[in-house]
Amino acid sequence: GAGVSQSPSNKVTEKGKDVELRCDPISGHTALYWYRQSLGQGLEFLIYFQGNSAPDKSGLPSDRFSAERTGGSVSTLTIQRTQQEDSAVYLCASSFLGLNEQFFGPGTRLTVL
Amino acid sequence: SQQGEEDPQALSIQEGENATMNCSYKTSINNLQWYRQNSGRGLVHLILIRSNEREKHSGRLRVTLDTSKKSSSLLITASRAADTASYFCATVPSNDYKLSFGAGTTVTVRA
Repeated sequence: GAGVSQSPSNKVTEKGKDVELRCDPISGHTALYWYRQSLGQGLEFLIYFQGNSAPDKSGLPSDRFSAERTGGSVSTLTIQRTQQEDSAVYLCASSFLGLNEQFFGPGTRLTVL
Repeated sequence: SQQGEEDPQALSIQEGENATMNCSYKTSINNLQWYRQNSGRGLVHLILIRSNEREKHSGRLRVTLDTSKKSSSLLITASRAADTASYFCATVPSNDYKLSFGAGTTVTVRA
């Protein structure tokens, strides 16, 4: 595909359930980012993957959040025991190198009831 | 924490007018980027300006950077209804690689 894709586009879950969000970056991009955007707010950095280096997890808000990137391509963001405050749009982006412009996916809108 | 802060928070203009928004940041940067977001979903990269550059143009967009004042501006000339969106500045610090976004400026272009 030509751009970053994310799935699902919308996810409604009950409080306490686990969710998995998927991101397919642009082929050949070495850097992958996850952000969270709450209603009317800017983007909050969550985690960064660059090549085979250890990910930068400094933005993850709690240990309920984790992410992995398999084979340097697809990434999955997992939220365990979801809470209502986890409701947000989760955006994934990729770039060729860490300092360059980022290309964003359409996001996953997560609603925790 | 957010590095960039946009001003104003919201802007409403008539089609054909110019729109100017500003971004201030706190630490030294490698580059500064502007993004547009429609309908609260994916962001579209507009322009990247490096710390050693002072001005860049792309179509109807003009970006300036003043590193001494730690500020940048985005000018949209001859605005169109399709320019209605939220605009975010994002900085890459000198010693880091993570983009840090401001809260954005919401621009409404009235027909």
